[in-house]
Amino acid sequence: SQQGEEDPQALSIQEGENATMNCSYKTSINNLQWYRQNSGRGLVHLILIRSNEREKHSGRLRVTLDTSKKSSSLLITASRAADTASYFCATKGGFSGNTPLVFGKGTRLSVIA
Amino acid sequence: GAVVSQHPSRVICKSGTSVKIECRSLDFQATTMFWYRQFPKKSLMLMATSNEGSKATYEQGVEKDKFLINHASLTLSTLTVTSAHPEDSSFYICSAPHSYEETQYFGPGTRLLVL
Repeated sequence: SQQGEEDPQALSIQEGENATMNCSYKTSINNLQWYRQNSGRGLVHLILIRSNEREKHSGRLRVTLDTSKKSSSLLITASRAADTASYFCATKGGFSGNTPLVFGKGTRLSVIA
Repeated sequence: GAVVSQHPSRVICKSGTSVKIECRSLDFQATTMFWYRQFPKKSLMLMATSNEGSKATYEQGVEKDKFLINHASLTLSTLTVTSAHPEDSSFYICSAPHSYEETQYFGPGTRLLVL
C-alpha cells in the first residue's frame, strides 16, 4: 500500500527557478529515497537519506528529512527544462535488501524554458 | 551502474490471452525482485515480491492466479498476466535490489494494452 503523500501533485516553474517538493510518510523508516521518472519510462534513483541524517546534497539536489514530522523535501535548484519529470519519494522500512520500497503519489514537475 | 532490463517494452493483446513479461538483472544477481504496477499519472503500487527458489509474496488484493510470478534464476523473474482483460492494461515495472546497496534498480517498464 502507498504510504507517502507528496505535495504539490503538480508544479510548474520557469527555467532557472528552484523547485521544492514535499513528501510525508506514515511509519518508521530505515531510509527515504527520491526517484525521478520521465514520462512512460522506468525510475532513476536520485538520492537516499538515512533515518539518522537530516540533510543531504547531490549536485543541484538537496534533500531534508524530519523523522519527528515524518516528512522530507526535495529541492532542485536552478531548474532546467530537462528536469521536467515526475518525482517520487519512496521509503524503506527494513534493513534487508528484500524489503520493498513504498512509493508516494509523486509530483509532476514541469520546467518551462 | 547496475542495469535491469524488461521485455517486451510494450505489448498489445486481445482479451483472454496471456502475456509474459521478463525482468532481467544484467550484471548482478538478484535473489529478490519486485513487481510494480502503475496507472497513468499515478504512483507505483507494489504487486508482489519475487523470490528465487521459492514462491512469490503477493500484496493484499493482488490475485496470485491472475498474476503468475516465476523467479527462474538469479537474474530472471517473469510476470505472466493470465486471461488478460482491458482493466489489466497498465504499466508494469520491475526492480531489483543490488547486494549490499540500499537502492533498487528499476527496469524501463512494460506497457500492456489489452483490447
